[in-house]
Formats: sequence, C-alpha cells, structure tokens
Amino acid sequence: EPEVTQTPSHQVTQMGQEVILRCVPISNHLYFYWYRQILGQKVEFLVSFYNNEISEKSEIFDDQFSVERPDGSNFTLKIRSTKLEDSAMYFCASRPPGPWVETQYFGPGTRLLVL
Amino acid sequence: AQSVTQLGSHVSVSEGALVLLRCNYSSSVPPYLFWYVQYPNQGLQLLLKYTSAATLVKGINGFEAEFKKSETSFHLTKPSAHMSDAAEYFCAVSAGNQFYFGTGTSLTVIP
Repeated sequence: EPEVTQTPSHQVTQMGQEVILRCVPISNHLYFYWYRQILGQKVEFLVSFYNNEISEKSEIFDDQFSVERPDGSNFTLKIRSTKLEDSAMYFCASRPPGPWVETQYFGPGTRLLVL
Repeated sequence: AQSVTQLGSHVSVSEGALVLLRCNYSSSVPPYLFWYVQYPNQGLQLLLKYTSAATLVKGINGFEAEFKKSETSFHLTKPSAHMSDAAEYFCAVSAGNQFYFGTGTSLTVIP
C-alpha cells in the first residue's frame, strides 16, 4: 500500500542553523501538508500546498519557514534559522484530488531537536 | 472556529476490557471528524472518519465511534482491548483544508 515517507527520521541541529525536512507524498496526491507536534502538545497545522503554491498557512508558519516541491516527488519544509522552540515532531501529509473532506495520509514524522 | 478536546491524556485498560477514548469537538460548521492512531515510531494511521453519513462509524481493528451532535462528542470505543491496541490516539476535526487535532490519548493495555 502506498505511503507517505519522510527523511530523516531524526535531526539534531544547532540553534540558528538551517534545516530541510523532506517528504515524499503518495504519488497521485495533489494536496500536501506540514504539521508539527511539540512534545506533549497538540498536532498543529503549519501549511498546505496545492498546485505549486501555498494554499493556507497558520500563524506558526512565519518567514523562517518555507515549503517547496522541487521535483515531481519531493515536498520539503525549510526552517531558515532554527530556534529552540522549533524542537518538535514534524509530520508531512498528503491527500488525493477530490472534496476537501478526503482523508489526509500522514508520514511517520521527523523528530527535530534544536540545541 | 474548530477545536477538539480529548479528555484523559493516559488511559489504561485490562486486556479484554472495554476501551473508551473521549473526544469532544467545537465547530462552527457541520464537522467532519476523524480518529487517528499512532504506533511507536510510525505515522498517523486513519482509524475511522465521520463525514455526515451514518452517526455510528466502524473503523479498522474493531474500533467504532458514534457522532452525537447534542453532546458534541465523537468518542472512540472497542468492546475488547488487545495488547496490540497500545498506542497514541488522536481525534481530529477538519474544516476546509486543515485538520485540528486533540492532544492525544495514550492507551496502555495491561495483560
């Protein structure tokens, strides 16, 4: 069964460094998402992406964040200058074309630790 | 605005006992509700979803949930817990293009 994959599974970085989290959505999906979960807190929406542009973003998704679909398969989240509070689990999700109620399929997550 | 509250961050049940995980939602529009499960070191897997059809929704692994509009609830149940049910469970409500998740409930199954 097709699944969303994410790399790396764990990333440790120094504060102020740039990180790129990578996701490979399911191949026929057209809508892509990033969520994050700070330890012990809710899974929070960051951004949605469709037709090569951001369709929605949350207040969390400030100028230090960016997303890109550099080729036909990868979907990346870049954090330009990491802060301690960016430490979290980051989930990528995708969904197929169709009504917005269609299920989102989630990857296993990347655990980011900023020191 | 949409939000979800999951009562009980940790629930322990004996193997074979009833599992009840609580979820209450707030939504300004007719909600679409989901339960996801997360096993250790894995992604979020869909258990079941409510999309305004039948109010009692059956999912995978013997789980089901009932949408109760009057109580704004969407509690997850399973008649008999199995050791393999130990995991983190997330309730979510969708609105447009976003999912809003609860804080999750960690289920422990005691042999």
